[in-house]
Amino acid sequence: DAKTTQPNSMESNEEEPVHLPCNHSTISGTDYIHWYRQLPSQGPEYVIHGLTSNVNNRMASLAIAEDRKSSTLILHRATLRDAAVYYCILSWNFGNEKLTFGTGTRLTIIP
Amino acid sequence: EAGVTQFPSHSVIEKGQTVTLRCDPISGHDNLYWYRRVMGKEIKFLLHFVKESKQDESGMPNNRFLAERTGGTYSTLKVQPAELEDSGVYFCASSQGLSYNSPLHFGNGTRLTVT
Repeated sequence: DAKTTQPNSMESNEEEPVHLPCNHSTISGTDYIHWYRQLPSQGPEYVIHGLTSNVNNRMASLAIAEDRKSSTLILHRATLRDAAVYYCILSWNFGNEKLTFGTGTRLTIIP
Repeated sequence: EAGVTQFPSHSVIEKGQTVTLRCDPISGHDNLYWYRRVMGKEIKFLLHFVKESKQDESGMPNNRFLAERTGGTYSTLKVQPAELEDSGVYFCASSQGLSYNSPLHFGNGTRLTVT
């Protein structure tokens, strides 16, 4: 199974952009890159996912390196509500439906 | 649209008792998943339903755990008899498509405490 590596924790000031890195050097050509986050006392929440091209949605942007060995989740303007544990997860195509959650990055937002 | 709903939110039972957790997925979602986080560990996959059929139950810890999804709507996860190591938070998720390329929508979980 391809694995991901994320920093254990990060801090960011409120209203500033946040760049959360993820390394996945053993990624295969069919692996999708997913980001989920978990706020305190809640279930995981989908943030964004992509395969090769950069992706944008209302919550965040996903920047994928050209060689796909790393990616960055970008929160454009952090709010206190963005304080959570962020998980970078690889999933492959049909036949394996397990999402493997690692330890993630605990993001602290400083008011 | 209503989200994934789980009942109860908390359950405290004694070792040896039986507990049944319920999950109501988002309407129209054929795919339903169970995950759990035991104390201090990572969130782990338990099993996956497509409609009423179990597609993958490789994450189920042992035969004390039984999941059902009769009629392809809500699902139940029964633990019988419960052991201390079963304590943790049990999450249910649903999706329209398969998880490799579709968002999973998670419920807020059931916190199970076995004493």
